[in-house]
Amino acid sequence: AQSVTQPDIHITVSEGASLELRCNYSYGATPYLFWYVQSPGQGLQLLLKYFSGDTLVQGIKGFEAEFKRSQSSFNLRKPSVHWSDAAEYFCAVGPNRDDKIIFGKGTRLHILP
Amino acid sequence: DTGVSQDPRHKITKRGQNVTFRCDPISEHNRLYWYRQTLGQGPEFLTYFQNEAQLEKSRLLSDRFSAERPKGSFSTLEIQRTEQGDSAMYLCASTSGGYYNEQFFGPGTRLTVL
Repeated sequence: AQSVTQPDIHITVSEGASLELRCNYSYGATPYLFWYVQSPGQGLQLLLKYFSGDTLVQGIKGFEAEFKRSQSSFNLRKPSVHWSDAAEYFCAVGPNRDDKIIFGKGTRLHILP
Repeated sequence: DTGVSQDPRHKITKRGQNVTFRCDPISEHNRLYWYRQTLGQGPEFLTYFQNEAQLEKSRLLSDRFSAERPKGSFSTLEIQRTEQGDSAMYLCASTSGGYYNEQFFGPGTRLTVL
C-alpha cells in the first residue's frame, strides 16, 4: 500500500537558517509527489510537485525538493527561512493518474527570531 | 475571491445531532474531494465527485456520512448522529481533472462534537 512518512513532527530553525524537511514514501511505481503547506486558519497550499523529469523541483516561496528514487525520498529544502514560513508542511503521494492524494502526518515548522 | 469556499468555518454540536457542511469549488472545476484531518494527522481522503457522480468512497466514510453534489457545482457533506470521534477538520478540494492537475483546497470546516 502507498504511504508517506514524515519522520519529524516538529522542526525548529532560526530565521535566516537553512531548512530541510524529510519525506519518505512507499509506492510500487514512479510516484507523483507533492509538498503542501498549511498555515493556521488557511487551506492547504501546493508548494511544488514532481511527476517526472528533472529530480530537483523548484516551487513557490523559494522552496525546492529533490526526488531520490534510490532512497524513496522527496525532501523539501529552503536556503534561508523567514518568520512567515512557520506553518505545517505535508508531503503527499498520488498514485498513478487517480487524483486521490495520500498525505503524511505533517511536520510543524517553528522559526526562532 | 474565486477560490474554494467552505461553510461554516466552525461548527460545535452535541453528540447525536446531525450536521451539514457545504463546499463551493472553483467554478470551472469538475472534480471535488472531501478529506478529514484530525489533530496531528495529515488529511485523509473521504470521497470524491466527478461532476455530480460520486466515484469513490473511503472506508472511513461510515453509513452516518453522506455526500452529495446535486448539480455538479457545490457539494454537501452530512454527518448523522454525530459522535465525539467525528471531531475533526473537514477539507474540500477541487480540480479540473484530467492528467493530474493541482487540487485547490478550501479553508476547512472545524467540527467539534461535545
